[in-house]
Amino acid sequence: QVHLQESGPGLVKPSETLSLTCTVSGGSITSYYWSWIRLPPGKGLEWIGYIRYSGSTNYNPSLKSRVTISVDTSKNQFSLRLNSVTAADTAVYYCARHSLTGGWYFDLWGRGTLVTVSS
Amino acid sequence: SYVLTQPPSVSVAPGQTARITCGGSDIGSRSVHWYQQKPGQAPVLVVYDDSDRPSGIPERISGSKSGNTATLTISRVEAGDEADYYCQVWHSSSDHHVFGTGTKVTVL
Repeated sequence: QVHLQESGPGLVKPSETLSLTCTVSGGSITSYYWSWIRLPPGKGLEWIGYIRYSGSTNYNPSLKSRVTISVDTSKNQFSLRLNSVTAADTAVYYCARHSLTGGWYFDLWGRGTLVTVSS
Repeated sequence: SYVLTQPPSVSVAPGQTARITCGGSDIGSRSVHWYQQKPGQAPVLVVYDDSDRPSGIPERISGSKSGNTATLTISRVEAGDEADYYCQVWHSSSDHHVFGTGTKVTVL
């Protein structure tokens, strides 16, 4: 059974860079697309961006200037970097797998990790 | 940017039916997916491709679409259905994913 696990610092200072990694266990990262999604407190889900196992990416236009998503197939991991963070980036961050068929939904999610931006 | 609009909240008595709408331009031409999220937990896919259910999701949860509105229907509502629900589409022309604004379902 495939599992996703987010990891990274839970506290980041304003203006610094948020870095998270998602480890895929029980299956291969290849053949799939993978996304980062976040849930700010009191708000709704926001898609951040996706990466294909080959390395191609696409980002939410509202975050594009600050986001980089990368993949390391040798480690079965993909990562998120969000620079110049502010309090508005405080959220639970999820990694998720895209479906292989159909209308492109998220069929597997990590448990999420809370990142707080504060000095 | 593409927007999916949901009612902020829906309240329903146990045993009754809850209907959650999701509106967006040209939604009729897009596949709509629905997620249930309980506090402190990750979202769970409950309906995909407008009306299909993943294994393990009860038949009393169903999806439909008419015109520019998609609807998630929860029949015979139980206390365990209390959660936030989000619709989602892939906006093909921009190659972006979009989530609805979210609906909090309260079981009275």
